[in-house]
Amino acid sequence: DARVTQTPRDKVTEMGQEVTMRCQPILGHNTVFWYRQTMMQGLELLAYFRNRAPLDDSGMPKDRFSAEMPDATLATLKIQPSEPRDSAVYFCASALFSTDTQYFGPGTRLTVL
Amino acid sequence: QKEVEQDPGPLSVPEGAIVSLNCTYSNSAFQYFMWYRQYSRKGPELLMYTYSSGNKEDGRFTAQVDKSSKYISLFIRDSQPSDSATYLCAMRALFYNQGGKLIFGQGTELSVKP
Repeated sequence: DARVTQTPRDKVTEMGQEVTMRCQPILGHNTVFWYRQTMMQGLELLAYFRNRAPLDDSGMPKDRFSAEMPDATLATLKIQPSEPRDSAVYFCASALFSTDTQYFGPGTRLTVL
Repeated sequence: QKEVEQDPGPLSVPEGAIVSLNCTYSNSAFQYFMWYRQYSRKGPELLMYTYSSGNKEDGRFTAQVDKSSKYISLFIRDSQPSDSATYLCAMRALFYNQGGKLIFGQGTELSVKP
């Protein structure tokens, strides 16, 4: 049963600390998305990769957020320094191609104190 | 104003009821329409998708699109407690590089009481 995995599932940290979230896309999927979900804003796209290359990160605060794909099996999202307003659930999704069905991971619930 | 508007609810119905969930949108370029279901502490999963105006049925679920009114609906017949979840509408234009990224509604929280 192929699925997207994300670690950690929960993260509590203090303001100013670095946070790294990891995602393993479904094997063979060449498109990876990072989303953030909050009560106020709902689900928002942060960044999008195809074949490991970033194609759209317009939804991401550039000064503190960075997203990478070191290899085809790992995508990372880093926040440095973290702020309380970054508290949210961060989802990774993968797809065969950009307009195909997106399969979501279980999310990382981030709380910044 | 958001491109996609969805009443966040919560919506509570008795088991067996017909549920109607709705979204409105403002971008006439949207061509693909989807409904995702999200259980508590899980990621969204695709429930249904449709391209054209009209109805699409899958078991107890019917997706309806009215492009002229920029309005989409999801109907759940004979609702079950297992249908309790948050339902998110999502939509996009034809191609990603033509603004085709997926835009989600806020999600409607549904609770079906036994």
